[in-house]
Amino acid sequence: DAGVIQSPRHEVTEMGQEVTLRCKPISGHDYLFWYRQTMMRGLELLIYFNNNVPIDDSGMPEDRFSAKMPNASFSTLKIQPSEPRDSAVYFCASSPQTPWTEAFFGQGTRLTVV
Amino acid sequence: AQKITQTQPGMFVQEKEAVTLDCTYDTSDPSYGLFWYKQPSSGEMIFLIYQGSYDQQNATEGRYSLNFQKARKSANLVISASQLGDSAMYFCAMSYSGGYQKVTFGIGTKLQVIP
Repeated sequence: DAGVIQSPRHEVTEMGQEVTLRCKPISGHDYLFWYRQTMMRGLELLIYFNNNVPIDDSGMPEDRFSAKMPNASFSTLKIQPSEPRDSAVYFCASSPQTPWTEAFFGQGTRLTVV
Repeated sequence: AQKITQTQPGMFVQEKEAVTLDCTYDTSDPSYGLFWYKQPSSGEMIFLIYQGSYDQQNATEGRYSLNFQKARKSANLVISASQLGDSAMYFCAMSYSGGYQKVTFGIGTKLQVIP
């Protein structure tokens, strides 16, 4: 398996623009997580899905952020409109089971909003 | 509230020596999982080792071992025979809640291996 695949790896956008980050989890994994990593706040869980259904989105910072998982092999995290403070590395991770004994992370998307 | 504390912002170790990275946690849940991840400068998060709260023995994975002291709520990572490639950020993390799906991370420790 190729692992968790995220795209793009790097994204630079202007403030106010819409940004869409993409994730393909490992086949057969039931759980998908979106994390954000910044120097100030470390790794924060934004939202996670179980069998394509959003379970907990309490970490989503505000309404500008939305996430979808239309099928078992694809998820998106959208920011609209983007702001400079959204600049961070966004990770997608997938896990085969609960409890989480080993989650596999994608390589991350480094987002810069100017 | 669940919390992970890593008190060592940075550590140095001589190549081939062993090093211990500290991690303490706080939770009221009787069931939880503890993890360590490595993040090299390239940015990816690499899973290293897992310890369940009910596991009787300390977890080991190759050169990595997790020194689990439940009463002290500590889960230190021990890396034996350090290699230059071990230079990276190391994150301690804990899974909790009924389904263990929520995971909280520490702020990390930067390890540098000196030749």
